[in-house]
Amino acid sequence: DIQMTQSPSSLSASVGDRVTITCRASQGISNSLAWFQQKPGKAPKSLIYAASSLQSGVPSKFSGSGSGTDFTLTISSLQPEDFATYYCQQYNSYPQTFGQGTKVEIK
Amino acid sequence: EVQLVESGGGLVQPGGSLRLSCAASGFTFSSYWIHWVRQAPGKGLEWVANIKQDGSVKNYVASVKGRFTISRDNAKNSVYLQMDSLRGEDTAIYYCRRSLDYWGQGTLVTVSS
Repeated sequence: DIQMTQSPSSLSASVGDRVTITCRASQGISNSLAWFQQKPGKAPKSLIYAASSLQSGVPSKFSGSGSGTDFTLTISSLQPEDFATYYCQQYNSYPQTFGQGTKVEIK
Repeated sequence: EVQLVESGGGLVQPGGSLRLSCAASGFTFSSYWIHWVRQAPGKGLEWVANIKQDGSVKNYVASVKGRFTISRDNAKNSVYLQMDSLRGEDTAIYYCRRSLDYWGQGTLVTVSS
């Protein structure tokens, strides 16, 4: 199975900060990577697919990059509604696997 | 509006069975892969299974293979997850997801005596 490792596991940031979350795959997955946002008690929301393509309706403050084994999710200017847990997921091979999550908290 | 609505969760004893349903609306159901993803209490997301548009291809995570069966009925715009031989570690919220975009609200499965 492909292991997905996110870093950091948690971070504290202020409104307006630029935030970057990293996701590393244990083997190459091309650009078969998605990012999801989950708020407490809610279903996940899809943000990005194919490493860098924004889902419809997702604001452009979210961006993704990377290919192969190393990927990043960047939030350009953190807003109160962005405090949540973020997950990456590879869909290059089965079983599809998620990272452990990165919790973004208010500083 | 795309909607996915899960149902069928509940409390079941270890070794028991449960069938989850995911009812879809607002899109051409037969054109999309559908996935089941679960989340144990206080834990991260775990991909469980998926099924191809026509039901001809199904994939499972190793921990449920042989115990869970995914199926779909395109005439009813629904996907199912038959869960047998349930274990405590299957306790989770189960979400269905269309491809890589839309998620349902989830249904809670609790396996306990």
